[in-house]
Amino acid sequence: EPEVTQTPSHQVTQMGQEVILRCVPISNHLYFYWYRQILGQKVEFLVSFYNNEISEKSEIFDDQFSVERPDGSNFTLKIRSTKLEDSAMYFCASSADRGPQETQYFGPGTRLLVL
Amino acid sequence: GQQLNQSPQSMFIQEGEDVSMNCTSSSIFNTWLWYKQDPGEGPVLLIALYKAGELTSNGRLTAQFGITRKDSFLNISASIPSDVGIYFCAGPETSYDKVIFGPGTSLSVIP
Repeated sequence: EPEVTQTPSHQVTQMGQEVILRCVPISNHLYFYWYRQILGQKVEFLVSFYNNEISEKSEIFDDQFSVERPDGSNFTLKIRSTKLEDSAMYFCASSADRGPQETQYFGPGTRLLVL
Repeated sequence: GQQLNQSPQSMFIQEGEDVSMNCTSSSIFNTWLWYKQDPGEGPVLLIALYKAGELTSNGRLTAQFGITRKDSFLNISASIPSDVGIYFCAGPETSYDKVIFGPGTSLSVIP
């Protein structure tokens, strides 16, 4: 069964450093998403991406964040200058289409720890 | 914005018992989703509900889409140890760009 994959599974970084989290969505999917989950809290939407541009973003997704689809298979989330409060699990998701009966499939996540 | 509440926050049950958990919303959802998250993993979709009043089963799991479109429940029958995890209700916002998640119900099953 096709699945969303993410690398790395864990990342430790120093405050102020840049990190890039990578995702390979399901191959025929056209819509891509990033979510994050701070330890012990609920999953929160960050950004959605379609047709090489952001379609929606949350207030969490400030200027420190950017997303890119650098080639036909990868979808990345970059945090330009990490802060302690960026420590969280980051989940990539993808869907074939957008609509009431379209399901977003989630990857296993990248656990980011900012020291 | 739209918000989801889940109850109970956590449950400790004996293996073999049935489980019921609820999700309520401050506003209408047109789709209800139930996800399970194992420790250190991403959410996995269990059941999707698309019509008010719909009752859907997936093995030992049964979920219903409330008539008011503002609530849903998930039942698990004859629980087993691998049912342990956090269960999230969720629903797409009107734009269908983002999925709103509830705070989760943590389930522990005592063998």
